Amino acid sequence: DGGITQSPKYLFRKEGQNVTLSCEQNLNHDAMYWYRQDPGQGLRLIYYSQIVNDFQKGDIAEGYSVSREKKESFPLTVTSAQKNPTAFYLCAVVNRGSDGYTFGSGTRLTVV
Amino acid sequence: GENVEQHPSTLSVQEGDSAVIKCTYSDSASNYFPWYKQELGKGPQLIIDIRSNVGEKKDQRIAVTLNKTAKHFSLHITETQPEDSAVYFCAASKGGDYKLSFGAGTTVTVRA
Repeated sequence: DGGITQSPKYLFRKEGQNVTLSCEQNLNHDAMYWYRQDPGQGLRLIYYSQIVNDFQKGDIAEGYSVSREKKESFPLTVTSAQKNPTAFYLCAVVNRGSDGYTFGSGTRLTVV
Repeated sequence: GENVEQHPSTLSVQEGDSAVIKCTYSDSASNYFPWYKQELGKGPQLIIDIRSNVGEKKDQRIAVTLNKTAKHFSLHITETQPEDSAVYFCAASKGGDYKLSFGAGTTVTVRA
């Protein structure tokens, strides 16, 4: 969506497995964000990165990890420590000039 | 941290009527208030935003109002059409790290 690509669209995880969600952008934006969406709860911030090789925890970081080795990429790993990982995960970039977010199309993760 | 409350959670309107969604925020330092529209299975899209130095902003059939004293802001959609049916989210930010706090969302259904 608008230069930000999330993959895969659907992901299934077995109990005890780690899985990695991909987020790639070609918009040349510095800041990238991961949100989790659950029904009736809006979007909650997991991790964010404002510059390469630096990232900060959001409100619900437990059980997740990220890396920011390249400006274009901000992958999210859902670890086995995340007890309730079934959700819709959204990646976003921020245009510093406007403060507005551009979201990816999301990854729906289901534990089987 | 910032707490954003959004009402109502669901809204059904007749085509051609107006729809109003209201949000309140807790942190008086918040200065940026965007609204997003999310269609089923997709990422949210920014539809309009307002900053704290402005009381009202309009874009065709969509308008947003902000009352800083009362710490609430509202989305107004006039002459609703079936394609307006979606989930709408309000959000608030203090700028700086560009973190957005989201409301829980409003599911709008426009009846033909």
